[in-house]
Amino acid sequence: GAGVSQSPSNKVTEKGKDVELRCDPISGHTALYWYRQSLGQGLEFLIYFQGNSAPDKSGLPSDRFSAERTGGSVSTLTIQRTQQEDSAVYLCASSTTGAGTEAFFGQGTRLTVV
Amino acid sequence: GESVGLHLPTLSVQEGDNSIINCAYSNSASDYFIWYKQESGKGPQFIIDIRSNMDKRQGQRVTVLLNKTVKHLSLQIAATQPGDSAVYFCAENANDYKLSFGAGTTVTVRA
Repeated sequence: GAGVSQSPSNKVTEKGKDVELRCDPISGHTALYWYRQSLGQGLEFLIYFQGNSAPDKSGLPSDRFSAERTGGSVSTLTIQRTQQEDSAVYLCASSTTGAGTEAFFGQGTRLTVV
Repeated sequence: GESVGLHLPTLSVQEGDNSIINCAYSNSASDYFIWYKQESGKGPQFIIDIRSNMDKRQGQRVTVLLNKTVKHLSLQIAATQPGDSAVYFCAENANDYKLSFGAGTTVTVRA
């Protein structure tokens, strides 16, 4: 596609449920990031994928969060047993090679845990 | 904690005036910096970038200045327009590739 695509755009879930957020990066981009943005805040790094290398998971806030990237393309961020504090916009970005290159962002998924 | 921050959380500017948005960073190893613009309900959009071997870079109506001595980055927008109203983030990238973002500055353009 022309840009980074995320789905769903909005997700409302009940506390304790699991959710899956999807990211389709720009074709050919080897690097993929997930960030979280709480209301009125900056972007909090969650996880980074680069090609076939082991992902950098250092930003995941708890073991309820996990992400995978299949075939070096589509990525899924999974949040298990959601809590109200997980409510935020989850942004995905991709770039050609990662370090020192521009990251292109998707529109984000707004997650609301009720 | 975050290594990138903004001096001011909000900026109100008259349409047609120039805007200056400031950013301080603390990681002296950072070698690549980006300014992003985020409009309501959208993802951040790239504005301009600069590498540490430069101190100034110009784009269309925007200029980024980098002062490595005091670890300061600024974004200047010439002839600010209503469409420039948004949240502006600076981001830094050290050699570990993660982009670190500050809290952002909300720019409001007055007609």
